[in-house]
Amino acid sequence: EDQVTQSPEALRLQEGESSSLNCSYTVSGLRGLFWYRQDPGKGPEFLFTLYSAGEEKEKERLKATLTKKESFLHITAPKPEDSATYLCAVGVIQGAQKLVFGQGTRLTINP
Amino acid sequence: DVKVTQSSRYLVKRTGEKVFLECVQDMDHENMFWYRQDPGLGLRLIYFSYDVKMKEKGDIPEGYSVSREKKERFSLILESASTNQTSMYLCASSPPKAEQYFGPGTRLTVT
Repeated sequence: EDQVTQSPEALRLQEGESSSLNCSYTVSGLRGLFWYRQDPGKGPEFLFTLYSAGEEKEKERLKATLTKKESFLHITAPKPEDSATYLCAVGVIQGAQKLVFGQGTRLTINP
Repeated sequence: DVKVTQSSRYLVKRTGEKVFLECVQDMDHENMFWYRQDPGLGLRLIYFSYDVKMKEKGDIPEGYSVSREKKERFSLILESASTNQTSMYLCASSPPKAEQYFGPGTRLTVT
């Protein structure tokens, strides 16, 4: 069964304090690893797609990396506006490509 | 910019009512998806469609049906709403084998 596990469930950091979020997965045939940001009461916003082990992508203070079993979302010198829930998903094929989501990590950055 | 719109942000319905949730995308995407999101359960796929008039069951299709008569529009139907269908409903669209783009969500309350 395709499964995605994110850790920690919640993370509180001080502004400027760098850290990483983890996404581990078991999937029969990976068709991409996707990161999303979700603000309260809103739909998820697409951040990155990673396709192969060793791949890295960056956007502002965020950098996503991928290995064969997990992905990390590194946040460098975060600001309060980075506070959100970060969702990880793996792409699997069932007719069309569908996404299997993890539970998310709720990140809070204190000023 | 990809735009996915949903017909309502908030909806309150009574038990037993028939409920229609509509989703429209403006990027000519082949694939469209309906999810529900509940605290502690994450995002769960209800139905998806990879072409006009085509539909596939997701992980939790019971109590729901869908309709896709035009490429840009995907409707979710609750034939007889029940209180356990109170949730945040999210629509998404994507090109083949690529990231999904989400709408703002509809918070449905069934009383």
